[in-house]
Amino acid sequence: RKEVEQDPGPFNVPEGATVAFNCTYSNSASQSFFWYRQDCRKEPKLLMSVYSSGNEDGRFTAQLNRASQYISLLIRDSKLSDSATYLCVVICAQGAQKLVFGQGTRLTINP
Amino acid sequence: DVKVTQSSRYLVKRTGEKVFLECVQDMDHENMFWYRQDPGLGLRLIYFSYDVKMKEKGDIPEGYSVSREKKERFSLILESASTNQTSMYLCASSFAAAYGYTFGSGTRLTVV
Repeated sequence: RKEVEQDPGPFNVPEGATVAFNCTYSNSASQSFFWYRQDCRKEPKLLMSVYSSGNEDGRFTAQLNRASQYISLLIRDSKLSDSATYLCVVICAQGAQKLVFGQGTRLTINP
Repeated sequence: DVKVTQSSRYLVKRTGEKVFLECVQDMDHENMFWYRQDPGLGLRLIYFSYDVKMKEKGDIPEGYSVSREKKERFSLILESASTNQTSMYLCASSFAAAYGYTFGSGTRLTVV
C-alpha cells in the first residue's frame, strides 16, 4: 500500500465551481500535512499546510481527519489559474525531514 | 526568497555515460534532496542529505550516487546512464520539513 494515495483525476470543472479532493495516508503516526501545487512543466510549490483544526487561505480550505487518515482540499469559486496538479504531502514520523508525496490530482478549470 | 538552482534545464546523454546533475541553494539550508518524477509514479526520493559529507538513501537509490562537499551544493551522479533513468529530476532544500521544501526548476534528462 502506498504511504500517500490520491485520485489522479483528471478533474474537469467549470469556472466558478467548487471542487474538492481527498488524500489518504497509511501511517497513523504521520505528523504534518501539506498541499503542494505543481503547474505543467514546473516545480512543485507549497500551497498550504494542513492543521488539525482545519484552515483557510482565501478560496482554499484544508481539512485533516486523523481518525480516518485523510486530508482534503476544497477550492471555492474556481479560477482558470487554479488549473494545476495538486500534491498531497505528509511527514510520516516525528522529527523526520523527509516529505512523502502523493501522486497528485490533476485539475483543469474550464471557461 | 530561497533560491534553488539546477545547472541544466534539459540534458541529453548517451547510454553508459557518467552524468552529473548539480544543485545549489543560497539560504544556508542543511537539508537537501533529490527526487525524480515520472508520469503515474509521482515524486520518488533518490537520496537526501542533512549535512555536509552526509548522505542517506531514499526509496530508489540504485544506479545513483550523490556528493555533498559544501553545504550549498548537492550533486546527483548517474554512474552509467541507462534509458530507464530518463526522467525529470528535481532538487529541493529545506530548513526543516515542517516549513516545506523549496524546489529547483528541474532537469529533464533524456538518455538515448
